[in-house]
Amino acid sequence: SQTIHQWPATLVQPVGSPLSLECTVEGTSNPNLYWYRQAAGRGLQLLFYSVGIGQISSEVPQNLSASRPQDRQFILSSKKLLLSDSGFYLCAWSVAVGVDTGELFFGEGSRLTVL
Amino acid sequence: GIQVEQSPPDLILQEGANSTLRCNFSDSVNNLQWFHQNPWGQLINLFYIPSGTKQNGRLSATTVATERYSLLYISSSQTTDSGVYFCAVPETGTASKLTFGTGTRLQVTL
Repeated sequence: SQTIHQWPATLVQPVGSPLSLECTVEGTSNPNLYWYRQAAGRGLQLLFYSVGIGQISSEVPQNLSASRPQDRQFILSSKKLLLSDSGFYLCAWSVAVGVDTGELFFGEGSRLTVL
Repeated sequence: GIQVEQSPPDLILQEGANSTLRCNFSDSVNNLQWFHQNPWGQLINLFYIPSGTKQNGRLSATTVATERYSLLYISSSQTTDSGVYFCAVPETGTASKLTFGTGTRLQVTL
């Protein structure tokens, strides 16, 4: 069966420090991979998605970046964190079937606090 | 892009009550998902329902794609049903990403 893991689960970082969140998927090949952020309140904002190795689409301008060095690995990074980067970050995967996005599955989330 | 609206935004129920959550979307879609976010933040898949009706225990969902809405029914609610319920649909013109509604926050009290 397929599983998704992301880490770390909780992170407290000073302003200006770097960030690296990692996500891996097991039990499937060539998944679509996603990073979402959930700030205070309830909305989920799509940050990045990837349909293949080295293919990254950015949804919003920001000081974050994403990379996909392997088929089932997705990394969210920042060189210098801002206070506004605080939030709950969620990795997700799906397997598209033709024009259908496929069912989306989420990891456990990483809660980032920037002080 | 596609617009997704959920109602009501907030709902308080007494344990045992029934409820209906609604998701409206602005364009035709080929699938729709319902999620429950528990108080610890975990997003749990409830239904993957492009059309028709599905049931899973006390929960059921109906999507009427031609009229661009979906309903999530919760019967005999329990305190463990508390959390935020999201619907999500594919962004128009792409098979790669979903757009989420703003959610319905449900609180079930004793």
